[in-house]
Amino acid sequence: EAAVTQSPRNKVTVTGGNVTLSCRQTNSHNYMYWYRQDTGHGLRLIHYSYGAGNLQIGDVPDGYKATRTTQEDFFLLLELASPSQTSLYFCASSDAWGQNTEVFFGKGTRLTVV
Amino acid sequence: AQKVTQTQTSISVVEKTTVTMDCVYETRDSSYFLFWYKQTASGEIVFLIRQDSYKKENATVGHYSLNFQKPKSSIGLIITATQIEDSAVYFCAMRGYTEGADRLTFGKGTQLIIQP
Repeated sequence: EAAVTQSPRNKVTVTGGNVTLSCRQTNSHNYMYWYRQDTGHGLRLIHYSYGAGNLQIGDVPDGYKATRTTQEDFFLLLELASPSQTSLYFCASSDAWGQNTEVFFGKGTRLTVV
Repeated sequence: AQKVTQTQTSISVVEKTTVTMDCVYETRDSSYFLFWYKQTASGEIVFLIRQDSYKKENATVGHYSLNFQKPKSSIGLIITATQIEDSAVYFCAMRGYTEGADRLTFGKGTQLIIQP
């Protein structure tokens, strides 16, 4: 099974602060995703990537940047954090479209913006 | 655009019974994949079972099975012989290739409570 590791697991920052969430996957998956989870909204896609250097915009991208530096590493950047970005963030990875289509998730990062 | 809808926000059943959770989806893709995930109390999201749109046979894994009704765009999750540890939030998801984008879309989840 794919291993997806997120860091940090918990983070508190102030409004206007700069935050970077990190994700590393060790199964050579091409695709990586960032989701946020909020009560009443389920899991919403922020950004995703098909490979190193590639970035795709998800459904709720405002206020977020992402960078895919290598096949293994995907980062989510909040440059001016706001309280509305307080959420549980999940990173995920998968193979490209085809037989192995399951998406595997990290354990989540709980971000609080005060 | 893809859309996944779970209308049941919460279900409560007695242990050892069978429960069905509903999910309907919308897509223009001719080929797609449907999944069910479980989110445990710790927050971890675990893959449970998958249905490929081109397969007529319903998928089964352990005590999880699917009721795939393609003409109705429906993919129900059936859990037989439920156990206390099945209490969790269950998400339905679809992976399609829409307008050149390969993406996974989730429903909002169904909270399952198993009572002793």
